[in-house]
Amino acid sequence: DAGVIQSPRHEVTEMGQEVTLRCKPISGHDYLFWYRQTMMRGLELLIYFNNNVPIDDSGMPEDRFSAKMPNASFSTLKIQPSEPRDSAVYFCASSLPSGSHNEQFFGPGTRLTVL
Amino acid sequence: SQQGEEDPQALSIQEGENATMNCSYKTSINNLQWYRQNSGRGLVHLILIRSNEREKHSGRLRVTLDTSKKSSSLLITASRAADTASYFCATDNTDKLIFGTGTRLQVFP
Repeated sequence: DAGVIQSPRHEVTEMGQEVTLRCKPISGHDYLFWYRQTMMRGLELLIYFNNNVPIDDSGMPEDRFSAKMPNASFSTLKIQPSEPRDSAVYFCASSLPSGSHNEQFFGPGTRLTVL
Repeated sequence: SQQGEEDPQALSIQEGENATMNCSYKTSINNLQWYRQNSGRGLVHLILIRSNEREKHSGRLRVTLDTSKKSSSLLITASRAADTASYFCATDNTDKLIFGTGTRLQVFP
């Protein structure tokens, strides 16, 4: 398996633009997690899905952030409109059933810069 | 808010020395995991220790868990330059993990 795939790897955009980050989890994993990492706040869980259903989105910072998982092999995280403070590295991770009792496999991340 | 706090924030050692990183957490757990992150990469799982375990080994890694003190330590023995990375502890909270602030380890050749 290729592991968790994220695209794009780097994204530079201007304030106010819409940004869409994409993730393909490892086949057979039914948990999918979106994280944001910054120097100031460290690694934050934004939202996670189980069997394509959002379970906990309490980490989503604002209504400008939304995430979807239309099927077991694809998820998106959208920011609209983007702001400079959204600049961060966004990671997607997936895991097997039993959630955190199993290791999470992380993608390479998307480095987002909002100018 | 983050549940895990790591200590020290940064650690610099020479190759061959041992590196010890500590993690403290706030609430009861089922298990605690340690992850490694190389610069510019995603996190990679290293080891998991369950709440009823006190010590676990994996190669050059040794993890201890003290649930009474709500703390864990990660020991890397005979460190190598390739061990240079950030190390994070993570505790479970229902189905999700809460990551600590991380320790940046620098191993000089």
